[in-house]
Amino acid sequence: DADVTQTPRNRITKTGKRIMLECSQTKGHDRMYWYRQDPGLGLRLIYYSFDVKDINKGEISDGYSVSRQAQAKFSLSLESAIPNQTALYFCATSGPNRAKVNTGELFFGEGSRLTVL
Amino acid sequence: QQQVKQSPQSLIVQKGGIPIINCAYENTAFDYFPWYQQFPGKGPALLIAIRPDVSEKKEGRFTISFNKSAKQFSLHIMDSQPGDSATYFCAAIPYSGAGSYQLTFGKGTKLSVIP
Repeated sequence: DADVTQTPRNRITKTGKRIMLECSQTKGHDRMYWYRQDPGLGLRLIYYSFDVKDINKGEISDGYSVSRQAQAKFSLSLESAIPNQTALYFCATSGPNRAKVNTGELFFGEGSRLTVL
Repeated sequence: QQQVKQSPQSLIVQKGGIPIINCAYENTAFDYFPWYQQFPGKGPALLIAIRPDVSEKKEGRFTISFNKSAKQFSLHIMDSQPGDSATYFCAAIPYSGAGSYQLTFGKGTKLSVIP
């Protein structure tokens, strides 16, 4: 089983609909992130959370919201989806390694491909 | 403002060739430079990383060269194989320690290694 699991893996929706992408992790990491990937634009940070009570906006948070329901769960919502939110979305985690050193390494899920028509 | 500039956007090499991907940064507060590898249909995964106190780091066929004065770093893949075909992202982190770990990614390089 994957350490970072995203659902759904693929979703097609219509403009104006509310969409939620979910992420759960079994790595025991405190830090969770949502990134968006677009061809030619790389990976851009939407939101990040360093613990359940800590939520921070990233580079491109407009039009998105998040919820950290538990240490292991971090969901991304599009309240009213628009076509330019069509993209590949990644959840990621980071945390201390076995030596309890926080290297900053990100562990990504396999992505959620969202198409907004 | 793009803080990490990556080039080229795409690269095609023959098997056995040495593809080189370059990145440049402006923020002198960056002090940790990882490279991530992404295969189609998968999330990115850490490949290799370097800190600015060394000029080169090798892990297997992958080498990072770092030029602190020029604020540039590059990834070399020795004896490239078709299985190396992937998208590669360079990244930079403002500082190490217990604080922020917000990576700034380059835009990615799609590498194709032809048999």
